[in-house]
Amino acid sequence: KAGVTQTPRYLIKTRGQQVTLSCSPISGHRSVSWYQQTPGQGLQFLFEYFSETQRNKGNFPGRFSGRQFSNSRSEMNVSTLELGDSALYLCASSSLGGNEQFFGPGTRLTVL
Amino acid sequence: KNEVEQSPQNLTAQEGEFITINCSYSVGISALHWLQQHPGGGIVSLFMLSSGKKKHGRLIATINIQEKHSSLHITASHPRDSAVYICAVNSGAQKLVFGQGTRLTINP
Repeated sequence: KAGVTQTPRYLIKTRGQQVTLSCSPISGHRSVSWYQQTPGQGLQFLFEYFSETQRNKGNFPGRFSGRQFSNSRSEMNVSTLELGDSALYLCASSSLGGNEQFFGPGTRLTVL
Repeated sequence: KNEVEQSPQNLTAQEGEFITINCSYSVGISALHWLQQHPGGGIVSLFMLSSGKKKHGRLIATINIQEKHSSLHITASHPRDSAVYICAVNSGAQKLVFGQGTRLTINP
């Protein structure tokens, strides 16, 4: 089976812009979770989607949003980018929420 | 205080040494995960456990639910084991809460 894929792998944006990141889970996995990793805060949970419904949300402002499509692919969107949004964004899929998660390679976002 | 605490934060050892990384948590959990992250960012799930002990090759993970503590052991360490090891727990509503990670360096 192909692993979790994320696109793009690298992205450079400027403050105030918005960005959309994509995640394709392992075939058959219905749960997709998103995480932000920064040197200062480490890994933090953003949100989880299961069967097109957001099941959990972390403590991030409303500028961070996501969605999941019927084929389980997921996107996350960050609007009005700030310098502090520079991070590695990881998604992970699992067959059911809470089970072993399989991580994608991440998208490294730099905000200038 | 973080909900998940790891120690040590950094660990340097010589090839062949026995390595132990500790994880303590303060919340109720349904499962605990050990993850490995190499330079470049890719994360690999090593173990998911809710009780007892699991072994995979040279890696062993244990958990003590009563003491809210888990350990990751590496036997016969090798330079390719150099990575950041992250403990994470499924806490309430299944979301993952992460420790700050342990940076392990194994010198030849």
